[in-house]
Amino acid sequence: DAGVIQSPRHEVTEMGQEVTLRCKPISGHNSLFWYRQTMMRGLELLIYFNNNVPIDDSGMPEDRFSAKMPNASFSTLKIQPSEPRDSAVYFCASRSGDRGYQETQYFGPGTRLLVL
Amino acid sequence: AQSVTQLGSHVSVSEGALVLLRCNYSSSVPPYLFWYVQYPNQGLQLLLKYTSAATLVKGINGFEAEFKKSETSFHLTKPSAHMSDAAEYFCAVSDRGGNQFYFGTGTSLTVIP
Repeated sequence: DAGVIQSPRHEVTEMGQEVTLRCKPISGHNSLFWYRQTMMRGLELLIYFNNNVPIDDSGMPEDRFSAKMPNASFSTLKIQPSEPRDSAVYFCASRSGDRGYQETQYFGPGTRLLVL
Repeated sequence: AQSVTQLGSHVSVSEGALVLLRCNYSSSVPPYLFWYVQYPNQGLQLLLKYTSAATLVKGINGFEAEFKKSETSFHLTKPSAHMSDAAEYFCAVSDRGGNQFYFGTGTSLTVIP
């Protein structure tokens, strides 16, 4: 398996622009997580899906952020409009749901976002 | 509510020396516990996890961790550090209900030649 795939790997945009990050989870995994990592705040869970349904989005910072999972093999995280403080590395992770939270999360390589 | 505390945001050891990275959790019942490693410019990968089997858990790359309920700890150790161990290490905890998962703030390990 190719692992969790994220695109793009790097994104540079200007403040106010829309940014869309993409994630393809490992085939057969039914839970998907979006994280944000910054020096100041460390690794933060933004949202997670189980069987394509958002279960907990309490980590989404504000209404400018939205996430979707239209099917089991694809998810997007959108920021509209983007702001410089959104600059971070965004990780997607997937997990098999067979045994709940004792299962391992597998992380993608991340998208490094810079908002100017 | 679950939480995990990693003591020491930066740890330096000499090559060949013992590695000890500390993690304490707060929970009313024993949770599931994980150690992940992040190499520069990469995502996190699992080192090892505790899921209520043996309290001493062995992971990849010679790392191991011991679950100590009395101390609410899950410290990560490796007998002899290698240069390739230089990375960021994260302790994580999840509850047994399946709805909470938290990462610690991470410990950056430097290995001195």
